[in-house]
Amino acid sequence: SYVLTQSPSVSVAPGQTASITCGGDQIGTHSVHWYQQMPGQAPVLVISFDRDRPSGIPERFSGSNSWNTATLTISNVEAGDEADYFCQVWDSSRDHVVFGGGTKLTVL
Amino acid sequence: EVLLVQSGTEVKKSGESLKISCRASGYSFTTYWIGWVRQMPGKGLEWMGVIYPGDSVAKYSPSFEGQVTISADESISTAYLQWPSLKSSDTAKYYCARRDVSGRMPLDSWGQGTLVTVSP
Repeated sequence: SYVLTQSPSVSVAPGQTASITCGGDQIGTHSVHWYQQMPGQAPVLVISFDRDRPSGIPERFSGSNSWNTATLTISNVEAGDEADYFCQVWDSSRDHVVFGGGTKLTVL
Repeated sequence: EVLLVQSGTEVKKSGESLKISCRASGYSFTTYWIGWVRQMPGKGLEWMGVIYPGDSVAKYSPSFEGQVTISADESISTAYLQWPSLKSSDTAKYYCARRDVSGRMPLDSWGQGTLVTVSP
């Protein structure tokens, strides 16, 4: 089955830029979605189709996807961005959703 | 406003059955898929399966096929996830989430989650 690989953790100082990656075989040919999950809360969609921001998501959140890596970039990081971030694709060969293992973003 | 409201916390014993619910509002229930996602304590998100309430077609992730049943009642805009016999390893938080027709679409709205605790 299709596997998505995320680093377990990323740390960044406030005001800096955080890059959270999601690796997968030819992931550039898939549409990647990103979810933010605050502690004790349900996930929230922050990026869809590699780079689209849903209504209400700050412009500081952006995404890209090429070859074997998709990236969620958070610019000018704030303390309130501290959360777990999950990437997700649809495995068309098996007709089901696949999640990455998640990355915990720590704001120093 | 799209809302998915899930049933409350459950505390059960191993071997008992359970059915949890996800009530949808703010959109046409029969034209979007509803998926279920498991999150074990301190772990990531796992896709369990999905149902299309318009025709009650359900599809399961291989890891959950035969372990759970996903169903829906169009008349009350509610999707369900049920277990015939719980195990302690079913202890987790379970989320429902909405997805548009194509599998490529994101999970754009989520329920608040239902915490299920199963004692041995």
